[in-house]
Amino acid sequence: GAGVSQSPSNKVTEKGKDVELRCDPISGHTALYWYRQSLGQGLEFLIYFQGNSAPDKSGLPSDRFSAERTGGSVSTLTIQRTQQEDSAVYLCASSPQLAGGRETQYFGPGTRLLVL
Amino acid sequence: DQQVKQNSPSLSVQEGRISILNCDYTNSMFDYFLWYKKYPAEGPTFLISISSIKDKNEDGRFTVFLNKSAKHLSLHIVPSQPGDSAVYFCAASANRDDKIIFGKGTRLHILP
Repeated sequence: GAGVSQSPSNKVTEKGKDVELRCDPISGHTALYWYRQSLGQGLEFLIYFQGNSAPDKSGLPSDRFSAERTGGSVSTLTIQRTQQEDSAVYLCASSPQLAGGRETQYFGPGTRLLVL
Repeated sequence: DQQVKQNSPSLSVQEGRISILNCDYTNSMFDYFLWYKKYPAEGPTFLISISSIKDKNEDGRFTVFLNKSAKHLSLHIVPSQPGDSAVYFCAASANRDDKIIFGKGTRLHILP
C-alpha cells in the first residue's frame, strides 16, 4: 500500500522567498506530524495535527512557519521569507492513533530544502 | 529544554557483538517510548516500542529496557550486523493523544 509521500523531494530557493512543502499521509491516519532535521542535528518537532483538535504548534520556530491540514488529510507546511538557517530536511509522519492503543508513526522520505 | 536525550552522538561496535544505545528523559509524564532507525536520505522507520507498564520488550535481535526510576531506556542489538549501521532515534510521548518527542539520535557504525 501507499506510504507517506512528500513533495517536492528537493527544493532550492533564494533567501526571502516563500516555500510550500506538501505531505500526503497514509489514508485513514488521523495524526500528522511535521519535523525538521538540520545538518548533524536530531528530529526537531514542528507541529502536530490530531483529528479535529486544534493543532499543537508549539514547535514552530517562528511566525514565518505555518501549516495547514485540509479535510483531515493532506498537509502543507509554509515557510515565508525563507532564511539560510531554514535549510534542512523537512519530514512528515502520520499515525493511525487508534482508540485504546498507541500507534507508531510512519515517515515520508522528506523534503530537502536549501535556501541560498 | 531537551526532554529526550541521547548523549552519545556516535557508537562503533564490532560485527557480531552487542550494540547498546542509551536514552534518558526528563519528563516523568512520558509513558510510551519508541526507537526509530534512519538510513541516509530516507525517513525514519519504527523499530520497537515499550509502554511504561513494562520494563523489557524483545523483538528478535532487538530488546528495549526501561528503567522508570532512573528515567532511562536502552536499546540492545545482538548480534550486531552490518545492516544495523544507521542513526537510531529514541522517542517518547506522555499520553495517547500527545505529540512524540525525539532525541537527537545516535549514529551506530558496525565494524567488519
